[in-house]
Amino acid sequence: QVQLQETGPGLVKPSQTLSLTCTVSGGSISSGSYYWSWIRQPAGKGLEWIGRIDTSEGTDYNPSLKGRVTISIDTSRNQFSLKQTSVTAADTAVYYCARDAPGREGYNGYNYYMDVWGKGTTVTVSS
Amino acid sequence: DIQMTQSPSSLSASVGDRVTITCRASQSISTYLNWYQQKPGKAPKLLIYTASSLQSGVPSRFSGSGFGTDFTLTISSLQPEDFATYFCQQSYTTPWTFGQGTKAEIK
Repeated sequence: QVQLQETGPGLVKPSQTLSLTCTVSGGSISSGSYYWSWIRQPAGKGLEWIGRIDTSEGTDYNPSLKGRVTISIDTSRNQFSLKQTSVTAADTAVYYCARDAPGREGYNGYNYYMDVWGKGTTVTVSS
Repeated sequence: DIQMTQSPSSLSASVGDRVTITCRASQSISTYLNWYQQKPGKAPKLLIYTASSLQSGVPSRFSGSGFGTDFTLTISSLQPEDFATYFCQQSYTTPWTFGQGTKAEIK
């Protein structure tokens, strides 16, 4: 079955750029009508959706991140990536990647749900 | 953004108890509502999608219901492996947003 794995530096200095990659295994990132999402969770806190991308490079982002985020996809490598600029201590969190699957279509489009998740990677922002 | 509010924030229950968790959306979201379970140090796991559809492999003691702004997740008979944190999430419109979580603890 499809599995996801996040990789990237565990420590990033303030004001620098956080870069993470999610590698999809057990299936092609291009198969099906999926989006591919990033979500983060500060220690002891709730989940925050960062954004998503599809294989046509269509993207949606969370405005709360104020344009600091870029998500890209490399179908030849079966990977998608997150870049987050100008990081601060508030960006310290566990970062997850997930598959965003289209469920039943309703009057407002498909009901997407995140059915496959990576194990998460901890990113600490500190000098 | 659509705000999702869960109640209670935490609960204490015994094995075998029936447990209900509530999620309220700040506007109507039809059935664009999903539920996840998260255990310490682990990624969230999808339990219920489209408000009431059980994800493959999830035990039938889990069920979901609701429409519009009010939703519930019910565990019919709490098992030891169900002690975890539960999150609701709306997929009506981006940005996807989550409830703050409900932590189920052993009584």
